[in-house]
Amino acid sequence: EAQVTQNPRYLITVTGKKLTVTCSQNMNHEYMSWYRQDPGLGLRQIYYSMNVEVTDKGDVPEGYKVSRKEKRNFPLILESPSPNQTSLYFCASSSTGQGRYNEQFFGPGTRLTVL
Amino acid sequence: KQEVTQIPAALSVPEGENLVLNCSFTDSAIYNLQWFRQDPGKGLTSLLLIQSSQREQTSGRLNASLDKSSGRSTLYIAASQPGDSATYLCAVRLSFVNSGYELNFGKGTSLLVTP
Repeated sequence: EAQVTQNPRYLITVTGKKLTVTCSQNMNHEYMSWYRQDPGLGLRQIYYSMNVEVTDKGDVPEGYKVSRKEKRNFPLILESPSPNQTSLYFCASSSTGQGRYNEQFFGPGTRLTVL
Repeated sequence: KQEVTQIPAALSVPEGENLVLNCSFTDSAIYNLQWFRQDPGKGLTSLLLIQSSQREQTSGRLNASLDKSSGRSTLYIAASQPGDSATYLCAVRLSFVNSGYELNFGKGTSLLVTP
């Protein structure tokens, strides 16, 4: 089954404790990205990657890091989490071809709480 | 920056009604527009994608239209069912030259279909 998976699905942590949220897709997509969703603000892009070893900032990159060492994986790293990073996080992927292949697929989400 | 607005923010209808959800965007130089469904606490499920050159797309009881020149899209749901209750999100991708693959999301329309 074609899908985007994220782990963990739920995470409660404390300020300053480094964490990684993993994202993996099995559709051989070149493009991957991370969004956060907050009440009243909607979804905002954090980082994206056009292909292996190619990453760039989105609208709200502060406090986050990413890496793209393999095509299928795009982990989101919070080196020193703070309470304002409490949010629902989504990973997405798509092909970079034409037409239907631009459809973006989203993972199930990771609900992060930083105390 | 592309601004995406969805009206109404919330909608409650009795089962069986046909309904229309609206999405407007400020920059008409779009590459495509995608409608998603989000169930509470869940991820985003892609419903329909319309390329900028298309006027509409259909999938089952769903029909999405696009009027790029006026900056509008509508999602038409025929014969609504309680299982359609969810939040519906509209997302716009600007033209490839301008901004890669970032999706600009509206804040969604929360739909409740009552039996």
